[in-house]
Amino acid sequence: QSALTQPPSVSGSPGQSVTIPCTGTSSDVGGYNYVSWYQQHPGTAPKLIIYDVSKRPSGVPDRFSGSKSGNTASLTISGLQAEDEADYHCCSYAGSYNPFVFATGTKVTVL
Amino acid sequence: EVQLLESGGGLVQPGGSLRLSCAASGFTFSSYLMTWVRQAPGKGLEWVSSISGSGGSTYYADSVKGRLIISRDNLKDTLHLQMNSLRADDTAIYYCTWGGGATGSGIDYWGQGTLVTVSS
Repeated sequence: QSALTQPPSVSGSPGQSVTIPCTGTSSDVGGYNYVSWYQQHPGTAPKLIIYDVSKRPSGVPDRFSGSKSGNTASLTISGLQAEDEADYHCCSYAGSYNPFVFATGTKVTVL
Repeated sequence: EVQLLESGGGLVQPGGSLRLSCAASGFTFSSYLMTWVRQAPGKGLEWVSSISGSGGSTYYADSVKGRLIISRDNLKDTLHLQMNSLRADDTAIYYCTWGGGATGSGIDYWGQGTLVTVSS
């Protein structure tokens, strides 16, 4: 039950795009199309922003997009805004006995 | 409106026990997998345990297996987590969560979380 890997931090200026990679293995990210991403502002519960690799829940702005190639999933935030400054967590399904494998999380800073 | 309201957190000594509860509303509770996720101070998210809709199947992270027990009461729409033999590294905010899609698809709803502190 190893955690997925994300960079500790990324940053960008308003209007720019940032991409957060999430690296796993063929047993999790590479093996299933069940990657989800969560946004978490300080002191609040996480919020689902991407599910099934690239789908957005209702109400999530389309500047958030997800993709996957092999064992690495990615979250891209286009047109970065001040309110996007938060922690972002990647998660993958890894089988019925390990349904949610989380990554270490990435702090996005808007310069 | 979906609501998940956790209770039962607090300060407990190492080796002690605590029971968390989560009152669910706004969806057909008995039809869905329910999951506990925790977050240690300043750390990332960690899956703890899940239980099937009927309660007949339970799943645990290796780090809690044999010490934490997940259960549910489908008559009262309530999820529980019995925490035994607690250790300092169990200190975290514990979130009750629910995803309305396929298992692993994504966690749509999170409770506000309840803080468990294990310290002497």
